[in-house]
Amino acid sequence: NAGVTQTPKFQVLKTGQSMTLQCAQDMNHNSMYWYRQDPGMGLRLIYYSASEGTTDKGEVPNGYNVSRLNKREFSLRLESAAPSQTSVYFCASSEGGARVKTQYFGPGTRLLVL
Amino acid sequence: GIQVEQSPPDLILQEGANSTLRCNFSDSVNNLQWFHQNPWGQLINLFYIPSGTKQNGRLSATTVATERYSLLYISSSQTTDSGVYFCAVERVYNNNDMRFGAGTRLTVKP
Repeated sequence: NAGVTQTPKFQVLKTGQSMTLQCAQDMNHNSMYWYRQDPGMGLRLIYYSASEGTTDKGEVPNGYNVSRLNKREFSLRLESAAPSQTSVYFCASSEGGARVKTQYFGPGTRLLVL
Repeated sequence: GIQVEQSPPDLILQEGANSTLRCNFSDSVNNLQWFHQNPWGQLINLFYIPSGTKQNGRLSATTVATERYSLLYISSSQTTDSGVYFCAVERVYNNNDMRFGAGTRLTVKP
């Protein structure tokens, strides 16, 4: 099992450009998450999807959109990138529901917005 | 929202020493996890522990939910334990909305 995979690993954007970060999991998990991590800080939740077909805002959703394409895939889109969105982005998944919600993380995407 | 505070922010140990990391949270939770972020940035789940005590090798964790804190114990530390340790909580009735503390940066010297 690959676990949680993310693409790309690294990306440089100019202010105003758009891009989509991809995430996929092969553990048949119901719930998926997108976080950002800024230097010296903990992770902050951007959006989450408790199950296929649902998405909800987290702590810092402004400037982002998400799509739960199917049970395996959860994408994060930046429509018009800003320097403040320079960060490391992590995707995670968990079983969700009433069962243990251990989270498993992908390797991260480093994004630099110039 | 819920506040999650970790202490100490930084910890430097000699190899072989023991340590205790603390996580305080401001509201009732139904999910608490401890993670280790290694120097390459990978996040690894150490414990899912909303209450009680668990042990895994040299690591153990205790959560006292009624007093709103959790402790992570590292015994006989090794250089590979270096990195940042995060706790994360999910408040009751806020399913899937996980909030992380700022972390404890641990450096283990040989």
